[in-house]
Amino acid sequence: EVQLVESGGGLVQPGGSLRLSCAASGFTFSSYAMSWVRQTPGKGLEWVSAVSGSGAGTYYADSVKGRLTISRDNPKNTLYLQMSSLRDEDTAVYYCAKGYRYYDVWGKGTTVTVSS
Amino acid sequence: EIVLTQSPGTLSLSPGERATLSCRASQNVSGNYLAWYQQKPGQAPRLLVYGASSRATGIPDRFSGSGSEPDFTLTISRLEPEDFAVYYCQLYGGSPWTFGQGTKVEIK
Repeated sequence: EVQLVESGGGLVQPGGSLRLSCAASGFTFSSYAMSWVRQTPGKGLEWVSAVSGSGAGTYYADSVKGRLTISRDNPKNTLYLQMSSLRDEDTAVYYCAKGYRYYDVWGKGTTVTVSS
Repeated sequence: EIVLTQSPGTLSLSPGERATLSCRASQNVSGNYLAWYQQKPGQAPRLLVYGASSRATGIPDRFSGSGSEPDFTLTISRLEPEDFAVYYCQLYGGSPWTFGQGTKVEIK
């Protein structure tokens, strides 16, 4: 069964850091680009970042560029999102998703709350 | 940045009825790079259609996508009880990829 499981969310103060992980199973992880998409009640769904299958290519939304870093460990079948200099507006459910342009598999999501 | 506008915001229908959901892009992007997703409360989105009209794996044929930029349509031919949910369109031909604000299909 193809599965993505996120972890690492939680409560963090503004300016703080957090690392999200996404464990993949059921498919050849290294063959696919992977993405992070976030969702808030106010702004809806927002693409955050993507990484190529090899990890050599990384892409970011302007709203997170310079603060969030996407990476992957292919032998461990794991995707990461290192989050730093967090802001209130980064509060969201973060989904790990398989694909670069559109997403055919999604994880259940992990909640990040940025608040003092 | 391209803006996707979905209409209507809410669609109130009965099981067995036909649902027609619209998604309009604020500007053209060369190619029908549009996807549709279904999301139920407490769940992640689920891919229904990509490339404007190609059904994703395992999606029932009552779901169909059509249209070309800037106007796209998702049609559910006969609503089943499990189809009542929120539907999002996503354009992936421009940069950055962008999502619509969603259409809620509710039971009348």
